[in-house]
Amino acid sequence: QVQLVESGGGLVKPGGSLRLSCATSGFTFSDNYMTWIRQAPGKGLEWVSYISGGGATIYYADSVKGRFTISRDNAKNSLYLQMNSLRVEDTAVYYCATYRGSYATSGYYYYYMDVWGKGTTVTVSS
Amino acid sequence: DIQMTQSPSSLSASVGDRVTITCRASQSISSSLNWYQQKPGKAPKLLIYGASILQSGAPSRFSGSGSGTDFTLTISNLQPEDFSTYYCQQSHNPPLTFGGGTRVEVK
Repeated sequence: QVQLVESGGGLVKPGGSLRLSCATSGFTFSDNYMTWIRQAPGKGLEWVSYISGGGATIYYADSVKGRFTISRDNAKNSLYLQMNSLRVEDTAVYYCATYRGSYATSGYYYYYMDVWGKGTTVTVSS
Repeated sequence: DIQMTQSPSSLSASVGDRVTITCRASQSISSSLNWYQQKPGKAPKLLIYGASILQSGAPSRFSGSGSGTDFTLTISNLQPEDFSTYYCQQSHNPPLTFGGGTRVEVK
């Protein structure tokens, strides 16, 4: 079955860096957009970034633009998030998810995050 | 950026109740609206996509409606396992955005 497993979280000081990984299995990784979402302690969900199957299309939330870099290795079925210049407010559980779509009977194509990993915790603190 | 506003932020209900959660977009998003359920300490789970299409495996007591800027998630005959937090999310344009969440609690 489809499985996503995040790793790489931990405790880092403000200004530091961390690289998150998301290992995937059970589906054709290279055919699918992938996305990162985070959730600060006791807060709601915040989308971070997504990347297309071939890596040509990438978007970031304004809150991480210029500091975070999303990438993928289709040969390894893995997704990454390089996080630099970390801030206290980046403290969160980081989830990777598939960002897939399908056609409705109306003919419209809809995208959604249908498979999620369990998350990895990033704590930024001095 | 498209802002998503959910209401209420929390509600109390009993097993068997009918519950309605609303989500409003700051501009038209057609039907590009998804609903997720999240239980404490767990990853979110997709319930509905395209505003009204039930995700495979999601119980039929969940339904969604709306288009443009106003959307609703309805849970008919609330079950014990439905006490959770629910989020709407627009996939019309990046940056993708979530609503603030609605916590459904036991009355």
